Amino acid sequence: GESVGLHLPTLSVQEGDNSIINCAYSNSASDYFIWYKQESGKGPQFIIDIRSNMDKRQGQRVTVLLNKTVKHLSLQIAATQPGDSAVYFCAENAANFGNEKLTFGTGTRLTIIP
Amino acid sequence: GAVVSQHPSRVICKSGTSVKIECRSLDFQATTMFWYRQFPKQSLMLMATSNEGSKATYEQGVEKDKFLINHASLTLSTLTVTSAHPEDSSFYICSASKTVRYTEAFFGQGTRLTVV
Repeated sequence: GESVGLHLPTLSVQEGDNSIINCAYSNSASDYFIWYKQESGKGPQFIIDIRSNMDKRQGQRVTVLLNKTVKHLSLQIAATQPGDSAVYFCAENAANFGNEKLTFGTGTRLTIIP
Repeated sequence: GAVVSQHPSRVICKSGTSVKIECRSLDFQATTMFWYRQFPKQSLMLMATSNEGSKATYEQGVEKDKFLINHASLTLSTLTVTSAHPEDSSFYICSASKTVRYTEAFFGQGTRLTVV
């Protein structure tokens, strides 16, 4: 079946460094992707999104890259801060017989080392 | 704007009892609300989608008689876990959208359910 997966379950980064979180997806029909941040005991928080007609989108300290050729998505966080420590999920949206469905990846835990 | 509130944030109940979780959109009218379940160190799994005034649509494998969803108004949806068992212990998260799109939904803070 279709799946969304992450290459690394955990990632530790020194404070101030940049971090890259990767995500692979297999549904070629996916046309919209979202990155969420989830802190312990809280619901997911929207970070940034990208549509399939784009290959890059930038926000504040974050950049999402989309490579449709290899079905790969990445989230880059610049100048990481302690508050960036959380689990990050990618999610893909694909219309399935006219019904949209948001599928979440397994998550990567990012730990910022002071 | 776009605040979604869940209540309670934590609940412990005895096996065999029922527990109700509320999801409220505080500053917008939610056409659609979504309920997810998340096991420890795992991803979010969609349980059901509810539209105001109509029956919820459940995902495959989710027991509709066990997880009762009511979307009585444009700002409130409730999930009732009936006859709870320890295996129902999980983190339940709702999201609310002004439209029918999953992708435009905002998430609540989640409810940690522990069944003892």
